[in-house]
Amino acid sequence: GAVVSQHPSRVICKSGTSVKIECRSLDFQATTMFWYRQFPKKSLMLMATSNEGSKATYEQGVEKDKFLINHASLTLSTLTVTSAHPEDSSFYICSPYLVHQETQYFGPGTRLLVL
Amino acid sequence: EDQVTQSPEALRLQEGESSSLNCSYTVSGLRGLFWYRQDPGKGPEFLFTLYSAGEEKEKERLKATLTKKESFLHITAPKPEDSATYLCAVQSGYSSASKIIFGSGTRLSIRP
Repeated sequence: GAVVSQHPSRVICKSGTSVKIECRSLDFQATTMFWYRQFPKKSLMLMATSNEGSKATYEQGVEKDKFLINHASLTLSTLTVTSAHPEDSSFYICSPYLVHQETQYFGPGTRLLVL
Repeated sequence: EDQVTQSPEALRLQEGESSSLNCSYTVSGLRGLFWYRQDPGKGPEFLFTLYSAGEEKEKERLKATLTKKESFLHITAPKPEDSATYLCAVQSGYSSASKIIFGSGTRLSIRP
């Protein structure tokens, strides 16, 4: 499967601060990256789809001004949680779209805890 | 609206005790049904893709089957290292870039 890394793996921040999560594809180029969020004991929920060189597409109910996505290169997509609040505490996972793969592969995830 | 329901929510088995996990789905035009394994604090790890009713796939102690309404993940003679959350997901439409809908998972615990 595809190799994807995320950084940081865990982050704790104070309420009101912004946090940037990086997702890198290590051995391939991804024109599209999916960003998911997973609350404890809950399902993965698609937040947004980022496309290299263009604006991201957000799912209904996801605030685009709060969750800023940048996909400036074919190997790096970033998700910035702006003015984070405790309810944003979650597990954030990226997944690259690869045309010739049978399914989506996922990064290792980033655990965000907002105090 | 596409929907995926997994049962049971949690399952505890003795080592060697075989069982099955269920995934019921409703989707407008199934492109694929996927099974993933997820360990605590990690991203999902791909296991299987099933495309049409009647299809079966196997990998070590796991076998996935598919009907028009549900999928089963059979685990034969499980070992403690099989303990994880197993996620089922469906994709509709014609593109591999289509949205994937996940179930909430079954937390499997295997006692030695």
